[in-house]
Parts: sequence; C-alpha cells; structure tokens
Amino acid sequence: GAGVSQSPSNKVTEKGKDVELRCDPISGHTALYWYRQSLGQGLEFLIYFQGNSAPDKSGLPSDRFSAERTGGSVSTLTIQRTQQEDSAVYLCASSLVPDRGLNGYTFGSGTRLTVV
Amino acid sequence: AQKVTQAQTEISVVEKEDVTLDCVYETRDTTYYLFWYKQPPSGELVFLIRRNSFDEQNEISGRYSWNFQKSTSSFNFTITASQVVDSAVYFCALSPPLEGSQGNLIFGKGTKLSVKP
Repeated sequence: GAGVSQSPSNKVTEKGKDVELRCDPISGHTALYWYRQSLGQGLEFLIYFQGNSAPDKSGLPSDRFSAERTGGSVSTLTIQRTQQEDSAVYLCASSLVPDRGLNGYTFGSGTRLTVV
Repeated sequence: AQKVTQAQTEISVVEKEDVTLDCVYETRDTTYYLFWYKQPPSGELVFLIRRNSFDEQNEISGRYSWNFQKSTSSFNFTITASQVVDSAVYFCALSPPLEGSQGNLIFGKGTKLSVKP
C-alpha cells in the first residue's frame, strides 16, 4: 500500500484480556519495527523484524508481549492478560533495507490501546 | 549507552516567531544517524530529516533549519516564522550505523510546540 496501515486505530479492552494489533507495512519494505508511546513519553522500541531473520525481541517489556510477521509482510503484536500499564499508542514502522533510514522510517498512525 | 535528551517538554510561541527545539545525544559510536520527526495531532510520525554523523553541514529546507554540532553532541532544529500548522510534538532520534545493527531508532521524549495565532 501507499503507507503503513495499522488496525484497529483504537482499542479499549478489559484488564486481563488478550489483544492483537495489526500492522501492514509498505509493500517491499523488509524491515518492520514496533514501538510503544506512553503518555508524555518518547517512543520505546519493542521488536524488529528483518526479512526471514530471527526477530530482535530485546525491547519487549515482558513475556506477555509477542509478535509475529507472516510471509515477510503483515505483522501482529499480541499482548496477553493486558494490564493497565499497557495502555499506550502502539506504532509500527517499516523501511527498505539496505536503504534503511535514508528517507526515514515510515510510521503508521498507531493503535491507541486503553486497558480499563 | 545511547540516549537522546530533549530538555524542552513544551514550548508556546506566537505565530511568526522563530523557535528552536533542542536535542542533545549520547553515543559511543563514531558513525551514527540523527533524525527529526514531527507528530501532528493526527498521531502519525512524519519524517523531517536524517543527518549522517560525518556531515556537519547545517541544512535549510524552507522555514526549517538544522544545526548539527558534533563537539557539543547537539542537533537543534529551528523553525523560522512559525505557523499554526507547525503545532505538533517534535521528536529527535538517534540510530547506530546501518552495518551490523538493526538500525533501531532511539527517541527523545519529544517537545510539544504550540503556535498560537
């Protein structure tokens, strides 16, 4: 597509429920990143996918968080047993490797997750 | 450790004023990249500029200009003759070199700019 698409744009869930957030990167972009933006905070790196390589999960805050990328395209971020501190905007970005970052990483509009 | 500091949490100016957003970074890499992103109320991050650590030339793009000073580890962003549409949160970010790294972006906490008519 023309840009990075994320769905849903807003999600309200009850504490303890699982949620899935979807990211559809720009066609042909092999690198995909998930970031979390909490209120008043900068962007916190969560996970990185590059082609068929094993993902870099070093930013995931706990084992309740997981992500997968099917067929090198669409990615799903799953949060199990959600907690109130998981409330944030979850942003996805993609870039073309090896031109990674030359024109900036392209970000989606994010999913605003609210855990009540 | 790598770190980006944007000391100004919020700035408010009146339209047509010039405004400078500060960014100070820390890294042990000799090669790195610096970025500025704009996040308008719609939420989507908009890429503004990428600067290579080897290139200390200042850059101007319309009303935007960037001052990169390696000696002080700063990469400041100036908006000249600000407009209401410039109101947004601006993020400065740092990335390690492309080779041998995932090129992950490390962001500052952002500066919220409000331009009043």
